[in-house]
Amino acid sequence: GAGVSQSPSNKVTEKGKDVELRCDPISGHTALYWYRQRLGQGLEFLIYFQGNSAPDKSGLPSDRFSAERTGESVSTLTIQRTQQEDSAVYLCASSLGAPSWRELFFGEGSRLTVL
Amino acid sequence: AQSVSQHNHHVILSEAASLELGCNYSYGGTVNLFWYVQYPGQHLQLLLKYFSGDPLVKGIKGFEAEFIKSKFSFNLRKPSVQWSDTAEYFCAVSLRLRYGGSQGNLIFGKGTKLSVKP
Repeated sequence: GAGVSQSPSNKVTEKGKDVELRCDPISGHTALYWYRQRLGQGLEFLIYFQGNSAPDKSGLPSDRFSAERTGESVSTLTIQRTQQEDSAVYLCASSLGAPSWRELFFGEGSRLTVL
Repeated sequence: AQSVSQHNHHVILSEAASLELGCNYSYGGTVNLFWYVQYPGQHLQLLLKYFSGDPLVKGIKGFEAEFIKSKFSFNLRKPSVQWSDTAEYFCAVSLRLRYGGSQGNLIFGKGTKLSVKP
């Protein structure tokens, strides 16, 4: 498709389980971002990939969170040993690249519910 | 730490009323400024952006925003709202680095929900 694709759209898991969220950016977009949006909160930056540069992981809230990106395509956000406070919508966005005055194109998000 | 403040959590207006949504940021350096909008059931999309030049920026659907550097503000305005403007609006900032380029991530505010009554 032409837009940013995220899967799954909804995920319900039990506390302590691991989850993987996938993001397929727009073709040709070298920059990829993950954000988290908790209920009633703004978008919380998690991680940023730009081309072959080392990712900016400064927003990852704990070592239970990690993300990878294969070249300039698909990215996977992994949350290990999920906790109830991890419940949120996880948004992926891509852009044509740095610098960050370029428009971000967002996916629909993956809604994670941890029971 | 840098932050973005949107003072109104929920704004309710009647059609044809004028709109102004506040946005303030805390950062002493040079910034790029954005407003994103999320219509019900849709993904976030760019409404308008500012990174240099005329501080009054015009975006899609009749929206505009004014960058006032002395006030660290980038308020969103529309003279006459429509029911179709019902959405959540997010202000965002990216930081310009001293020697060119910009910090990679965007810092978002908590959003303002706008409800327009027909």
